[in-house]
Amino acid sequence: AQKVTQAQTEISVVEKEDVTLDCVYETRDTTYYLFWYKQPPSGELVFLIRRNSFDEQNEISGRYSWNFQKSTSSFNFTITASQVVDSAVYFCALSEWKGGSEKLVFGKGTKLTVNP
Amino acid sequence: KAGVTQTPRYLIKTRGQQVTLSCSPISGHRSVSWYQQTPGQGLQFLFEYFSETQRNKGNFPGRFSGRQFSNSRSEMNVSTLELGDSALYLCASRGDTGELFFGEGSRLTVL
Repeated sequence: AQKVTQAQTEISVVEKEDVTLDCVYETRDTTYYLFWYKQPPSGELVFLIRRNSFDEQNEISGRYSWNFQKSTSSFNFTITASQVVDSAVYFCALSEWKGGSEKLVFGKGTKLTVNP
Repeated sequence: KAGVTQTPRYLIKTRGQQVTLSCSPISGHRSVSWYQQTPGQGLQFLFEYFSETQRNKGNFPGRFSGRQFSNSRSEMNVSTLELGDSALYLCASRGDTGELFFGEGSRLTVL
């Protein structure tokens, strides 16, 4: 079965620090997708990225970057020059397919607090 | 473009009652999924609907059910509520590119 592990339960940093959120996954599928979501206190899961298992290129979007390493089954997320608004719970997720339907298997999340 | 809309945002019920939650997906999206989020179990998949058909179901008892209408709007129902059903219920819609967009959720409290 699919499994996602986010070993860091909580991280606290000071504004402008860089922070990396770890994500390790387990799957037997050869094709799969990995996701990152941000959940602010309002509750909505905000989509950040979806990455295909065949695309191991790192991705950068503004202050956000993602490092996908298939060899270690990791999909880590780095926030550069963190800001207070980055404070939220971040979830890593892995797709699981069944009969043409995709569901996401989520990690337990990492709560990030960015202090001014 | 409007996002995923869920109603109601908050509700309180007592044990034994039933509840219906509603989700309007992003315009043009035909796939709607539901997830339950609790502090103990985290985010868990409930079911997915596509073109009014349930395509997948998670490991939840039969008290949890859902449906999808021809306009892609979806509802989920929980009957005979238990204290453990207290959770944030999140709806998500999927576009053609495969990205899954979530609503703000319906927070259910069972007393």
